[in-house]
Amino acid sequence: QKEVEQNSGPLSVPEGAIASLNCTYSDRGSQSFFWYRQYSGKSPELIMSIYSNGDKEDGRFTAQLNKASQYVSLLIRDSQPSDSATYLCAVNDPGRRALTFGSGTRLQVQP
Amino acid sequence: GAVVSQHPSRVICKSGTSVKIECRSLDFQATTMFWYRQFPKKSLMLMATSNEGSKATYEQGVEKDKFLINHASLTLSTLTVTSAHPEDSSFYICSASKTDYPGANVLTFGAGSRLTVL
Repeated sequence: QKEVEQNSGPLSVPEGAIASLNCTYSDRGSQSFFWYRQYSGKSPELIMSIYSNGDKEDGRFTAQLNKASQYVSLLIRDSQPSDSATYLCAVNDPGRRALTFGSGTRLQVQP
Repeated sequence: GAVVSQHPSRVICKSGTSVKIECRSLDFQATTMFWYRQFPKKSLMLMATSNEGSKATYEQGVEKDKFLINHASLTLSTLTVTSAHPEDSSFYICSASKTDYPGANVLTFGAGSRLTVL
């Protein structure tokens, strides 16, 4: 069974610090990887997508992908209280267009 | 950008009644839409893939006769929860794909519909 694993947290960091969120996936055929942010009671919103090994930066966010280790991470620099949310890692299901989601990591940024 | 509209955002119904949820892609055409369900403090679980002009593909364990999906146009998919029971109470979220990269499918989500069955 295809799995996407995340630590449920909560991960607590002080304001201004770097938050590091991690995700592993089981299907070596996966090609596309996404990080979504979900505030309580709301639907997920896309933060980053990454398709190639290495780093991809967008503002305060950096996604990192290592396909050999089946590992994807999200770094949030200069964390703000407004970043407090659940972060969902999602991986494409090869052969289908749907995404498989991890259970999410709850991030708390302390003012 | 890609915008997906979902309606209603909240619905409360009595046990045994049916509820219809609509999902529309506003600025792009979506031949495929996805319906997810999320229970409190749990992740999103794919229920079914909605295909325009053909039958939906349901995930294992999802009752196709209970969760009716219709995708009659390139911009509209509907999910009908038939004979709803309290255990169907959940957050239902639709999503549509706008290709961002060859072979990749970036999903844009609707705002979700919170169903409470009394």
